[in-house]
Amino acid sequence: SQTIHQWPATLVQPVGSPLSLECTVEGTSNPNLYWYRQAAGRGLQLLFYSVGIGQISSEVPQNLSASRPQDRQFILSSKKLLLSDSGFYLCAWSRPAQETQYFGPGTRLLVL
Amino acid sequence: KQEVTQIPAALSVPEGENLVLNCSFTDSAIYNLQWFRQDPGKGLTSLLLIQSSQREQTSGRLNASLDKSSGRSTLYIAASQPGDSATYLCAVRRGNQFYFGTGTSLTVIP
Repeated sequence: SQTIHQWPATLVQPVGSPLSLECTVEGTSNPNLYWYRQAAGRGLQLLFYSVGIGQISSEVPQNLSASRPQDRQFILSSKKLLLSDSGFYLCAWSRPAQETQYFGPGTRLLVL
Repeated sequence: KQEVTQIPAALSVPEGENLVLNCSFTDSAIYNLQWFRQDPGKGLTSLLLIQSSQREQTSGRLNASLDKSSGRSTLYIAASQPGDSATYLCAVRRGNQFYFGTGTSLTVIP
């Protein structure tokens, strides 16, 4: 069976500090991978998606970046966090030919 | 750009009541529509998926309908239970991208 992991579960960071959130998928190969942000009172915002190693598509301009160094690893990064980066970050995967997405447990980020 | 809207934003009902959640989308060129459930502080769990060629899907007490031409979907929950309390999100898929609504927060009062 497939599982998706995210860490850390919770993170408190000062403004201007760097960020690295990690997502890994087990039990499948060549998944599509997604990073979403869910801010308080707002919907799920797609940040990045990847259909293969080194292939990243960005949906919104921001100070965040994503990388996919391995087939089942997706990393969300920032060089300098802003207050507005606070939120709940969700990683998801789907099979290219399958319809549904499977979500990780999420990382709650608070930037102070 | 695809925009997905969910009404109402919040809903509170007594246990046992039947209820309907609404989802609308602006671009009918979708591959499928999916309803998710999200418990507080957790990830999303898929409830029902409707292909663009289908009109409805059922799972237990849940029934989802899709009217692609009018850009609307409904999630019907029968005989609601306190355990149904959660946020319900709909999402439409186009290509490799999924567009989510803002969700309906449901509270079922015992």
